[in-house]
Amino acid sequence: GAVVSQHPSWVICKSGTSVKIECRSLDFQATTMFWYRQFPKQSLMLMATSNEGSKATYEQGVEKDKFLINHASLTLSTLTVTSAHPEDSSFYICSAGRGPSYNEQFFGPGTRLTVL
Amino acid sequence: AQSVTQLDSQVPVFEEAPVELRCNYSSSVSVYLFWYVQYPNQGLQLLLKYLSGSTLVKGINGFEAEFNKSQTSFHLRKPSVHISDTAEYFCAVSQGGKLIFGQGTELSVKP
Repeated sequence: GAVVSQHPSWVICKSGTSVKIECRSLDFQATTMFWYRQFPKQSLMLMATSNEGSKATYEQGVEKDKFLINHASLTLSTLTVTSAHPEDSSFYICSAGRGPSYNEQFFGPGTRLTVL
Repeated sequence: AQSVTQLDSQVPVFEEAPVELRCNYSSSVSVYLFWYVQYPNQGLQLLLKYLSGSTLVKGINGFEAEFNKSQTSFHLRKPSVHISDTAEYFCAVSQGGKLIFGQGTELSVKP
């Protein structure tokens, strides 16, 4: 149990376009989901915390107008990278918290975004 | 704010040798600690976790870790590694439901 999927697994887009990444908890309800960004050979950086039915909470330095997060249901959160630029190229990983304190997170397989 | 330090960025080791990946955290309150493994171009897989109870935690793939409160450490160990253990390993601490990650340790197992 506790499987999290992401779609797409990789995407290539032109500069200036928008890209949507989906994160789904397949066999449990996730009140809270998290979005991370990972640059090559680096650790994961938390971008935002997404709560079902409410606005996401962004970490300091993350542009909320550029990285739009929607958590429309207990099993789906989406991250939209708007007006993407080459510097947005990265590995984006989501996770879902389970349980009342969601101390444990279950991670998706990640999405590789390349902006040309 | 809590922080996590992984003392070694790279650990090369020969197959069947023991390995220890070091992790220290800074916190004065109760913590939840995790070790994750990441294979190339994949997400994170939980190896083991410490939430409470026994300080020696056993995880998957033969890994174990010991929570040492006095030394604020949570080192990961395996008595005999395999080529397939080659991956990036992340130590993390939970703070208010958020995970704070260490910088990662690249374990390279050589034949």
